[in-house]
Amino acid sequence: DAKTTQPPSMDCAEGRAANLPCNHSTISGNEYVYWYRQIHSQGPQYIIHGLKNNETNEMASLIITEDRKSSTLILPHATLRDTAVYYCIVRASYSGAGSYQLTFGKGTKLSVIP
Amino acid sequence: KAGVTQTPRYLIKTRGQQVTLSCSPISGHRSVSWYQQTPGQGLQFLFEYFSETQRNKGNFPGRFSGRQFSNSRSEMNVSTLELGDSALYLCASSLRQGDEKLFFGSGTQLSVL
Repeated sequence: DAKTTQPPSMDCAEGRAANLPCNHSTISGNEYVYWYRQIHSQGPQYIIHGLKNNETNEMASLIITEDRKSSTLILPHATLRDTAVYYCIVRASYSGAGSYQLTFGKGTKLSVIP
Repeated sequence: KAGVTQTPRYLIKTRGQQVTLSCSPISGHRSVSWYQQTPGQGLQFLFEYFSETQRNKGNFPGRFSGRQFSNSRSEMNVSTLELGDSALYLCASSLRQGDEKLFFGSGTQLSVL
């Protein structure tokens, strides 16, 4: 699976949009971009994933550049409860065989400031 | 629908002992994965079970083992505990093997003294 690079930490004012970048310059054509987050003392939580089109759900939006070498997770109106470590993961689609785990990096620690 | 349940939440053991951790997946989910989380190494994949069979295994010694029961519940076992096994052990379930979304439990915090 392709390696990802994320800033170690970011701050965001409460109520503002939080834009979390992820670089995945070696991504392959069949690899998806996934975002998970981990709030303190809890297990990771799935947020969103996408292949090449922008995606939006009730939690966030995912913007993937046209060359797919980077992406941005957007939390439109950050709240204090969004303070967490955010993980960007790249993984191939399931082929029915082989190793298929999620490979977590160090992620970005997002602090939402009142 | 209840989430992934892991028991116990906290555990203290001494070196050389063995430990068994339990995971009950979300109802209907058939795939269970285990991860180890430490401050130094972050989240690392241990193994994945689907239909009572281990499908994938991470780079951990044979002291780490697991199994899955017919009701999809899973247990992992660590024998001959070492200080370095102190970690948060997380279980995740999904509907099927290779599913896009994993649902994690809150983990079992294991301390080895």
